[in-house]
Amino acid sequence: EIVMTQSPVTLSVSPGERATLSCRASQSVNSNLAWYQQKPGQSPRLLIYGASTRATGIPARFSGSGSGTEFTLTISSLQSEDFAVYYCQQYSNWPLTFGGGTKVEIK
Amino acid sequence: EVQLVESGGGLVQPGGSLRLSCAASGFTFSNYAMTWVRQAPAKGLEWVSDISGGGDSTYYADSVKGRFTISRDHSKSTLFLQMNSLRADDTAVYYCAKVYGSGWYFFDYWGQGTLVTVSS
Repeated sequence: EIVMTQSPVTLSVSPGERATLSCRASQSVNSNLAWYQQKPGQSPRLLIYGASTRATGIPARFSGSGSGTEFTLTISSLQSEDFAVYYCQQYSNWPLTFGGGTKVEIK
Repeated sequence: EVQLVESGGGLVQPGGSLRLSCAASGFTFSNYAMTWVRQAPAKGLEWVSDISGGGDSTYYADSVKGRFTISRDHSKSTLFLQMNSLRADDTAVYYCAKVYGSGWYFFDYWGQGTLVTVSS
């Protein structure tokens, strides 16, 4: 099983600042990596797939990078609606696995 | 507009069974693999199972293998999850989600979730 490790667990950021979230895979997943956003009481929403491709309707302030085992989700200028939990997911091998999540909170 | 609506959750005793349903609309159901993902209270996301568009290929997490069965009914555009021998650690919100495409096993649409509580 590929273990996905996200860091930090909690990230405190002021509105307008940049947020950088990390996701590490225990073995290479190539670019088979997706990012999701989940707000309290809501279902997850797809943000990024293929490590760097924004999903339909996702604002340009969200960007993804990386390949192999190291990945980054960057939110260039945090808006109030971006405070949420973010998960990475690998789809290179079964079982499909998610990271433990990073909570982005208001500083 | 793609819509996924789960139902069938509830309170069940340990060792009991439950069948979840997910009614899909807004896309050609038989063309897409589907998945179940769960989230225990205040925890992260856990992939549970997925099924190919044709229904002939299924995968399960080790934690549910042998107890859960995923299936689909194309005539009703509905996805199912039969859950047997339920345990307390199966307590979670269960989401159904649409797989993006063949070979692209990430999830572009999600339902609102249905809560399963396993407790005596």
